[in-house]
Order: sequence, then structure tokens, then C-alpha cells
Amino acid sequence: SQQGEEDPQALSIQEGENATMNCSYKTSINNLQWYRQNSGRGLVHLILIRSNEREKHSGRLRVTLDTSKKSSSLLITASRAADTASYFCATAVQGAQKLVFGQGTRLTINP
Amino acid sequence: DAGITQSPRHKVTETGTPVTLRCHQTENHRYMYWYRQDPGHGLRLIHYSYGVKDTDKGEVSDGYSVSRSKTEDFLLTLESATSSQTSVYFCAISEGSGRGDNEQFFGPGTRLTVL
Repeated sequence: SQQGEEDPQALSIQEGENATMNCSYKTSINNLQWYRQNSGRGLVHLILIRSNEREKHSGRLRVTLDTSKKSSSLLITASRAADTASYFCATAVQGAQKLVFGQGTRLTINP
Repeated sequence: DAGITQSPRHKVTETGTPVTLRCHQTENHRYMYWYRQDPGHGLRLIHYSYGVKDTDKGEVSDGYSVSRSKTEDFLLTLESATSSQTSVYFCAISEGSGRGDNEQFFGPGTRLTVL
């Protein structure tokens, strides 16, 4: 069964707006990661947040982690058409080198 | 996709035939993974390897076998392909630094159709 569940499954916004995606998970984790997948391509790692961190930034990306609620959010600010892609959260369980992926959020940025 | 290649990129085969997919890396990373991606199921782990000749099962390993005789190559074999194995297959690698940061780097994928 999937560890991470993304919400919403699909999101469509206008260019320049901010996009927020959420991820919930079930078990204790070592870290949580976000990946992007452009149509027909492999996944690309975006950002990793450790279980002892609450917020992390990378360029226009902001990730938060609430371990008490077992949830994370990915915020993309000032969206661009090139941000159109599917976004996946993935959780790493303590001591494991395996990741468990959610089903993803499909983000569409309209010009 | 730099440093990871998959072959073939596309394959159409018939039910009951054996199929082998190859993943090749030039990064010298310790860990290698095979996933399948299907609509409604996201990305699911089939098998992974934590070193030469060291492999373990993932979430959906039935009907698949793997081998890793060299650090750079990880083979996925469908001994007798079935239509349910029609999917897009991704290989991924991870350095396994021991720090606990285990981001994965993905290949371009192989689209397999079993008729």
C-alpha cells in the first residue's frame, strides 16, 4: 500500500500564482522527499527534508514537514509554464534505503 | 537522466516471452532500483540492489527477477511476460552515503507493452 498520499490529485492555476501540494503519510520517517516528473520523462529529485526539520527552501520551492500530523506541503511560488508536471512525495523509513512514493499531484500552469 | 541509461526504451512483446531490461549507470552508486509506474498506482518498487550480487524484493516482485553482476549494471527479467506487466519501468540509483540522505536519480524509463 502507498505510504504517501498527495492532495490534490490535480491542480490547475494561472502563471504567476502560487501552487501548494500536500502529502500525508502513515509511519515514522527518516526523511521526506519531493520529486518532479515531466511528461514522458523520469523523476527528478527536488528537495529533501529530514524528520528533525520543519521547513526548507530551494529557490522558488518551500517545503514544510509536520511530523505530529504526518504531513508535508510543497509550495511553488510565482509559478511558470515550465512548472507543469507531476509532483510526487516519497518517504524514507528509518534505516531503509528504500523510498515509498505517493501517487502524485498533476500540476498544470496556464499561460 | 545523466549517468543512467535504460535499454531498450520501448519494447513490444507477446505474452509468454522472456524480456530483459537493462539499467546502466556511470556514477558508481551503490544502490540500484527497479520501479514500475502505472496510472492510479504511482511508482511501485519491484526489486532493488545494495551491492554486486546483493538484491532484495520490493512491493511488487512477483513475476520479476533481477541480477547485478557489476556495479554499473542492473538487469530486470520478466521470465514469462503477461499483459499485466505492461507498464513503464524506471531504474533509479542512490549513493547510499550512510548519512541518511538517500535521494534517488532516475533513468529515462522503458515503455513495455505485452500483447
